[in-house]
Amino acid sequence: DVKVTQSSRYLVKRTGEKVFLECVQDMDHENMFWYRQDPGLGLRLIYFSYDVKMKEKGDIPEGYSVSREKKERFSLILESASTNQTSMYLCASRASFSRRRDTQYFGPGTRLTVL
Amino acid sequence: GQNIDQPTEMTATEGAIVQINCTYQTSGFNGLFWYQQHAGEAPTFLSYNVLDGLEEKGRFSSFLSRSKGYSYLLLKELQMKDSASYLCAVRDGDKIIFGKGTRLHILP
Repeated sequence: DVKVTQSSRYLVKRTGEKVFLECVQDMDHENMFWYRQDPGLGLRLIYFSYDVKMKEKGDIPEGYSVSREKKERFSLILESASTNQTSMYLCASRASFSRRRDTQYFGPGTRLTVL
Repeated sequence: GQNIDQPTEMTATEGAIVQINCTYQTSGFNGLFWYQQHAGEAPTFLSYNVLDGLEEKGRFSSFLSRSKGYSYLLLKELQMKDSASYLCAVRDGDKIIFGKGTRLHILP
């Protein structure tokens, strides 16, 4: 069975703190993604990664960075958390997009609140 | 620019049929996905269309017209458990771009 896990379901941090969100997949997928989901705005892509040590900016990368040191793990980093980063964060993975039906598999999400 | 439009909310009755439309304008197109997302949960895959036409999978069907930039998701024999948000998403090269989702309410 496909599995994408995220380190926390709920997280509360203070403004200015450094925050790490971890995502692990056990499907040997090359591609991994970080989204945030906000009411009325839908899912927005923050960063994605083709493969180990590779990363690409998505639509809203400002205030975030990522790390992919191992194929199965993709970390999202908030260097200095701000209240406008309060959101639901969803990680996803996908097999190489050379396959036709290459759907994304999502983790359960981390609801981050920044006070 | 990238734009994916779908209605914000829809309401239907248990046992009925509902069609959720999606129109898109993207710089590239490599396929269209539909996802279902229950409140507080992650999206789960429903369907994928890359060629024009209708694909049927049980009570759910998805249609694509690439020339019109249009897709719909058809849900038949609605059940209360179908109450959820339905997300239309377009693959444009390496990215998958999501619409804002349609929240579907099912009335008994």
